[in-house]
Amino acid sequence: EAGVAQSPRYKIIEKRQSVAFWCNPISGHATLYWYQQILGQGPKLLIQFQNNGVVDDSQLPKDRFSAERLKGVDSTLKIQPAKLEDSAVYLCACTDNYNEQFFGPGTRLTVL
Amino acid sequence: GENVEQHPSTLSVQEGDSAVIKCTYSDSASNYFPWYKQELGKRPQLIIDIRSNVGEKKDQRIAVTLNKTAKHFSLHITETQPEDSAVYFCAATWRNEKLTFGTGTRLTIIP
Repeated sequence: EAGVAQSPRYKIIEKRQSVAFWCNPISGHATLYWYQQILGQGPKLLIQFQNNGVVDDSQLPKDRFSAERLKGVDSTLKIQPAKLEDSAVYLCACTDNYNEQFFGPGTRLTVL
Repeated sequence: GENVEQHPSTLSVQEGDSAVIKCTYSDSASNYFPWYKQELGKRPQLIIDIRSNVGEKKDQRIAVTLNKTAKHFSLHITETQPEDSAVYFCAATWRNEKLTFGTGTRLTIIP
């Protein structure tokens, strides 16, 4: 079974620039999550999709972050404009609704 | 919302000894409690999980116990080996499969 794919793996940008991350979940997994993991902390949920609908985006900083999953398969997360404190690893995860979440390799973002 | 506390934040044990990591949660409705292992620079990997209808689950050297009354659960690793060194996260579900993670425990196995 193929795992969760994410790209890019690493990204370095300057503050106030824009950046986008892409995630392709495991085939058939209806629920998709984006997490932010700051160094030394646990993953923090940013947004949860069920198919192409948003289930929970209560912790998404909507003034600068946006995400979409238009066809209910792959998803993109965008930051515009980026701040220094956005430096983190952005993890995509998915589940087939039996609770176990499978994580992608993550995108390590550095904002200078 | 759900709040998950995890202790200790760092743990060093001699190779071959046991390691125990404890977590408490706040929402009594939580019903699924996974443990993830994260090695440096890698993704979190599920190592064991437990559901609310079970008090204990074991998989080789790893076991998890759950006390729903006290709202705490623990990870037990026996006969520790150097490859067990990693950061371990507990988590709990709070509605709609939303996982809330603990703050992590950095486990170091001393050869």
